[in-house]
Amino acid sequence: ELKVEQNPLFLSMQEGKNYTIYCNYSTTSDRLYWYRQDPGKSLESLFVLLSNGAVKQEGRLMASLDTKARLSTLHITAAVHDLSATYFCAARGAPSTDSWGKLQFGAGTQVVVTP
Amino acid sequence: DVKVTQSSRYLVKRTGEKVFLECVQDMDHENMFWYRQDPGLGLRLIYFSYDVKMKEKGDIPEGYSVSREKKERFSLILESASTNQTSMYLCASSEGTGRSGELFFGEGSRLTVL
Repeated sequence: ELKVEQNPLFLSMQEGKNYTIYCNYSTTSDRLYWYRQDPGKSLESLFVLLSNGAVKQEGRLMASLDTKARLSTLHITAAVHDLSATYFCAARGAPSTDSWGKLQFGAGTQVVVTP
Repeated sequence: DVKVTQSSRYLVKRTGEKVFLECVQDMDHENMFWYRQDPGLGLRLIYFSYDVKMKEKGDIPEGYSVSREKKERFSLILESASTNQTSMYLCASSEGTGRSGELFFGEGSRLTVL
């Protein structure tokens, strides 16, 4: 069964500093996703990572995937207040597994950026 | 832009009532999903559908059923609502499984069962 663990679950950031959120998954996955959720809102897609070594960047956010370690990271560079939100990772079960096609989500990382 | 529309943003129901949550997507996506979101638990998959009239149980299907009579519409049904079904319910859709699988979410339906 595919399980996804995120850490930390809460991250207090100072503006201007760099931070990383970690996402581990337990079995073979063929896709890794990162989403952002603002309070009271739905989830917005940030990145889709398709293969080992994939790296995607958008503004101050950079996501990477290491399928051998079953680990994805979301790196935040020079945090700003606008990045305050909850970030979720999700892994999709690979073909020929019980979790094929289903996305399993981590518990989310609540990020608060303060001056 | 993909649009996933959930019919009700907020509902308050009484224990034992039958509850319908409707979801419509306008991008001709094959796959549709229902999740519930609770603090500290992330999103948990209730049911999903890969095609019209097709449904598969997710991780927490007990107490729920679904209906997909048309490709664009996926309904979640609580046959007899209970207080432990108070939650945020999120509908999502995606292209066929061979594609990226990126989910597009609706705005959510916050259900309170008294």
